[in-house]
This record gives sequence, structure tokens and C-alpha cells, in this order.
Amino acid sequence: GQQVMQIPQYQHVQEGEDFTTYCNSSTTLSNIQWYKQRPGGHPVFLIQLVKSGEVKKQKRLTFQFGEAKKNSSLHITATQTTDVGTYFCAGDNYQLIWGAGTKLIIKP
Amino acid sequence: DAGVIQSPRHEVTEMGQEVTLRCKPISGHDYLFWYRQTMMRGLELLIYFNNNVPIDDSGMPEDRFSAKMPNASFSTLKIQPSEPRDSAVYFCASSEKTSGRGEQFFGPGTRLTVL
Repeated sequence: GQQVMQIPQYQHVQEGEDFTTYCNSSTTLSNIQWYKQRPGGHPVFLIQLVKSGEVKKQKRLTFQFGEAKKNSSLHITATQTTDVGTYFCAGDNYQLIWGAGTKLIIKP
Repeated sequence: DAGVIQSPRHEVTEMGQEVTLRCKPISGHDYLFWYRQTMMRGLELLIYFNNNVPIDDSGMPEDRFSAKMPNASFSTLKIQPSEPRDSAVYFCASSEKTSGRGEQFFGPGTRLTVL
């Protein structure tokens, strides 16, 4: 069946370091969405990417959609404590297929 | 708009009891989704509705689970009988368009504990 693999499962960073999470789909996607879930909260929509090779930025967050529309990444520059949470990708191929999420943990 | 509303926020019950979770989607949204989230299995889509009609219930774990949407502003997810392995956070989400073609707005979730 269709799958969206997301890695890594966890990433520990020092505050101020960068963070990246990657998603790979077994099939070509029509688009991909990214969500953030704060600890104890619910997923909140961040962005949707539609075009092949698309790159979008939201302040310190950079989202990319691969040329083949099968992979995507989210990069956070200079992480802050407010970035803590789990980041999910969700690939659309008729229906949304969710990645397992990457948990961003900031080392004390 | 108040967003997606779920009740109760927390539910503790004993094995074998019936549990009913409730959801009010955002007004005007045509799609409603029920998800389950656990540490072991992550975020799982259980079922979704379009215009109150169930479209895909392939994620419903077994016959103990049932979902209804009697009108555009209300949906329920029922577990009967409940088992300890049903303990999870259950989210309801709604969207204007089908999954992926419109962002999904999630409710705060119901944390279910089955003893």
C-alpha cells in the first residue's frame, strides 16, 4: 500500500542549532502538507506544497517539495524553544497518508 | 468560529463499558475525519465522512468501533465494548475539501483511558 516514510523519529538539538525532517513517499503525490503538534496539543496545519521543486519559507522554516513529487523536507534554522513539538508530513494521493512524525527536542 | 469542538476532553472508563466520543466540525466544512493517536502506532485515520456520508472506514480497527454523522454539525465515535488497548487520544478534524486539497482543522482531542 501507499506509504509515507518520515525520518528521523527524534532529533535532539541545542537551542540555536538547525533541525531537518524528511519525508519519502512510495508513490508520486499530488501535494504534501506539513503539520506541527505541540506537546499535549493537536496537529496544526503549517503549509501545503503543490508544485514540483517548490520551496516555501515561513520565517525560520523552509519547506521543499522534490522534483519528482515523492519527497519533501522541512528545515528549521536556529531552533528556539517555541519550535519544540512533533512535525508531521501528510502526502496526498487521493487521500492523505501521514508520516510517523519527527519529534524535535531541545537539549537543556 | 470556535473551531472543531470535541467532548469529553478526558474519559476514564472500565473495560467492557461503552464509550461515546462527540465532535462538532467547523460550520461549512464538508469533510469530517476521526483519528486515533498512540505512542506505538502514531496518528491513524479511522474513518472520514463527506456531506455526512461515510466514505472510507478501512481504518476502523474492528466491529467494536462505529461512527455516525446524523447531520452536518455533529458526529460520534462509539466503542462498545471498550478494551484497555483502545486507550489513546482520539482527534476529530474537519476540512472544506477532501484530504490534501484543503487543510484539516483538528479539535483538541479526547484522551481515553480504559482500565
